Amino acid sequence: EAGVTQSPTHLIKTRGQQATLRCSPISGHTSVYWYQQALGLGLQFLLWYDEGEERNRGNFPPRFSGRQFPNYSSELNVNALELEDSALYLCASSLAAGAASSYNEQFFGPGTRLTVL
Amino acid sequence: KQEVTQIPAALSVPEGENLVLNCSFTDSAIYNLQWFRQDPGKGLTSLLLIQSSQREQTSGRLNASLDKSSGRSTLYIAASQPGDSATYLCAVRTSGTYKYIFGTGTRLKVLA
Repeated sequence: EAGVTQSPTHLIKTRGQQATLRCSPISGHTSVYWYQQALGLGLQFLLWYDEGEERNRGNFPPRFSGRQFPNYSSELNVNALELEDSALYLCASSLAAGAASSYNEQFFGPGTRLTVL
Repeated sequence: KQEVTQIPAALSVPEGENLVLNCSFTDSAIYNLQWFRQDPGKGLTSLLLIQSSQREQTSGRLNASLDKSSGRSTLYIAASQPGDSATYLCAVRTSGTYKYIFGTGTRLKVLA
């Protein structure tokens, strides 16, 4: 069974541009989570999507946004890129929120390394 | 506000040693706690998930314990191997939320 996949693996942008990152969850998972891992800051929760809706948001500015498609894949968009947005962006998926059998264990993808020059 | 701390930040041990990694959290009202492994520049691999009602979970040479009342979890690695070298992260899901709060990790190096 395929795990969580993310694309692209690496992305290089310049300040002010927009970046789009993509995530495909494990088959059968409906929840997608986005995290940012910046150097020296650890993993920070960004966004949670479930059944196509944004359910929760971390402490990030509005230029970080995303969406979840009917097939449960997800996009993370970062507008007006800043140098400090350079980080590894990790996507995770889990069974539907409230699915007792899995206790919402999150499975992570390999990440997208975003570099802003 | 939930805060997660991991001690030590880095650890270097000779092959074969048994070792303990520590994770502490400030809000004991948790839903579960998950231990992950991260290799350099890579994503996270889930190691063990402990529900709030459980005291420990075991998988192979790994054993994780949870003491909610004291806000602590430990990851025990038996007979460490060079292939265990990685960063180990613990993450806590606080009750009433679906996001994980991560610790800053312990960088483990097992010397051959």
